[in-house]
Amino acid sequence: DGGITQSPKYLFRKEGQNVTLSCEQNLNHDAMYWYRQDPGQGLRLIYYSQIVNDFQKGDIAEGYSVSREKKESFPLTVTSAQKNPTAFYLCASSILTGNGELFFGEGSRLTVL
Amino acid sequence: AQSVTQLDSQVPVFEEAPVELRCNYSSSVSVYLFWYVQYPNQGLQLLLKYLSGSTLVKGINGFEAEFNKSQTSFHLRKPSVHISDTAEYFCAVRIQGAQKLVFGQGTRLTINP
Repeated sequence: DGGITQSPKYLFRKEGQNVTLSCEQNLNHDAMYWYRQDPGQGLRLIYYSQIVNDFQKGDIAEGYSVSREKKESFPLTVTSAQKNPTAFYLCASSILTGNGELFFGEGSRLTVL
Repeated sequence: AQSVTQLDSQVPVFEEAPVELRCNYSSSVSVYLFWYVQYPNQGLQLLLKYLSGSTLVKGINGFEAEFNKSQTSFHLRKPSVHISDTAEYFCAVRIQGAQKLVFGQGTRLTINP
């Protein structure tokens, strides 16, 4: 079955630690995205990538970093510089020349203690 | 810049009653419109989309939405809801030719027995 796999589903970390969230897709999509979701704020775009070895900042990129070494993979690192990292993180993908429809993973919930 | 407004943050409804979730967007150019549903602690699933053609769009689980260009709206409706429809619903817009999808803040639909 084609889809997007995010791991881990739940993650607890202490303040000051960097954490990396995994996102893998086997849909052969060129574009991949990371969103952050907080209650009552909808989805906010952190980073996106349209091609391997290239990515762009979204609306709230500060305190986050990404890499795109393979088409299938787009990991997100939440660094210690992110002031309020506790949130639900969603990875998505899409074809590059389509209508913009996004396909989402199941999400990763990060709690910083 | 384009924006999406979901007019109600929460909508409580009794089971088997009809429901309408409202979505307005701001854009002077052609857009693609989407409704997604999110069940607790899960990713987003596409309910329906408007790309072109008929302004009444039918989706999964008995939902439908109507595109109204003059009012820049894309309201979601269901004639009779079930307990299983309890979820958060997101409206999203993409300007034709742009890469990013812009999301509304979400509407939490609660179905009471």
